[in-house]
This record gives sequence, structure tokens and C-alpha cells, in this order.
Amino acid sequence: NAGVMQNPRHLVRRRGQEARLRCSPMKGHSHVYWYRQLPEEGLKFMVYLQKENIIDESGMPKERFSAEFPKEGPSILRIQQVVRGDSAAYFCASSRSQENTEAFFGQGTRLTVV
Amino acid sequence: DQQVKQNSPSLSVQEGRISILNCDYTNSMFDYFLWYKKYPAEGPTFLISISSIKDKNEDGRFTVFLNKSAKHLSLHIVPSQPGDSAVYFCAASARGNTPLVFGKGTRLSVIA
Repeated sequence: NAGVMQNPRHLVRRRGQEARLRCSPMKGHSHVYWYRQLPEEGLKFMVYLQKENIIDESGMPKERFSAEFPKEGPSILRIQQVVRGDSAAYFCASSRSQENTEAFFGQGTRLTVV
Repeated sequence: DQQVKQNSPSLSVQEGRISILNCDYTNSMFDYFLWYKKYPAEGPTFLISISSIKDKNEDGRFTVFLNKSAKHLSLHIVPSQPGDSAVYFCAASARGNTPLVFGKGTRLSVIA
């Protein structure tokens, strides 16, 4: 679990601002997944990326949300013009292979929109 | 449309007894199942998994049972310990390129 690094751990944004969440996968992992957890809910899949490619973004809202995983550097989940409903815990997971047999999670970023 | 369902939001068990957490799924394409454990303010931690070619997998105090015909799996923890108190998530995927689909979780409280 400690191998996947997410920062910041906590992020407070005012409505209308941008939020940037970062995720560095475990060493040797090239597959990254972003999940969102709303209060009292399970983890909802948002987007799956491999280096420089978005493989599946079916869970990501069409507007205001974007994700990238550049060749160098961490994966970034970007939320533009945040609204109160974006307040949630955002978790990143990484895996070594596409088969996703064991995805390891980071500690999450808790976003609060005020 | 929930493809993975954990119908018990919470469960309380006495220390030393068996904890049984249940999970149902609807997608017949799922062929790999995992259980994750989550403490407050931490990310989920992988616990145990099972492939659809098996009906049981055991790791120490943790055993996962899979009933494919019923589309049901369960996690058994025996004996339960206070440190097991956490939220347990069931997850499923179809091997290949589909991401994990999670249930809503069951909060287990082990009472000393």
C-alpha cells in the first residue's frame, strides 16, 4: 500500500477553482487507475491509464474532469471549476499488468470543496 | 446498476468467533474476485483473491469461497481479532482489460 504515493493527502478548494491530484505508481507498475469514494459509498471507477495513454475513461464525468499519465512523472487527475459535489476521497491504484490481478492503492486524496 | 453487491453495511462479531462477509455479483463475465480491507483515512489494502477456476482460497485466518452458480462469494475470518475491525470491500473483474468493480463495503466490528 505504501508503494503508491498520492499527494496531497488533503486538498481544500473553493467552488470554481481547479484541483490537481497526483499519483506516483509503485515501481515497475505502468497501469494506473483512479477511483472516487463518496461518503458511505464504495469505490467508483473513473479512469484507467497506461503510460501516455487513456485506456478506459468510462467512469469519468465528461466535463471538468481529465486525467493524464505522462511518460515521465506522476499521473494527474485534474478537476476544473470544482463544485461541492466533487468533495470525495480520490484513490489511485497501480498494477504491473493489464490483467489487474492485484491493484495496489495509495492512501488517497481527500478533496473538500467549500 | 450495481454489478457487485454487499448487502450488509455492517457486521459485529465477538473476538475469537468467525466473521462471514458476503458479496453477490451480477456480471457473468467476472472471473476474478478480490477482497480489500480499508481503515479510516487509508487506502484499501489487498487481502485475498480467487479466480473463477477455484471455489476456495485460503490464506492464514482468511478464506474466500466462490459459488459461481449462485454468483456469490464470501470471506471468512477465523478467529476474528479486534484489529480486523475495518471496512471490507469485495471487488471483481473480467481478466483482460477491465478495471475492478467494487461493492459498497461492509463495516466489520470485532468486539473484545
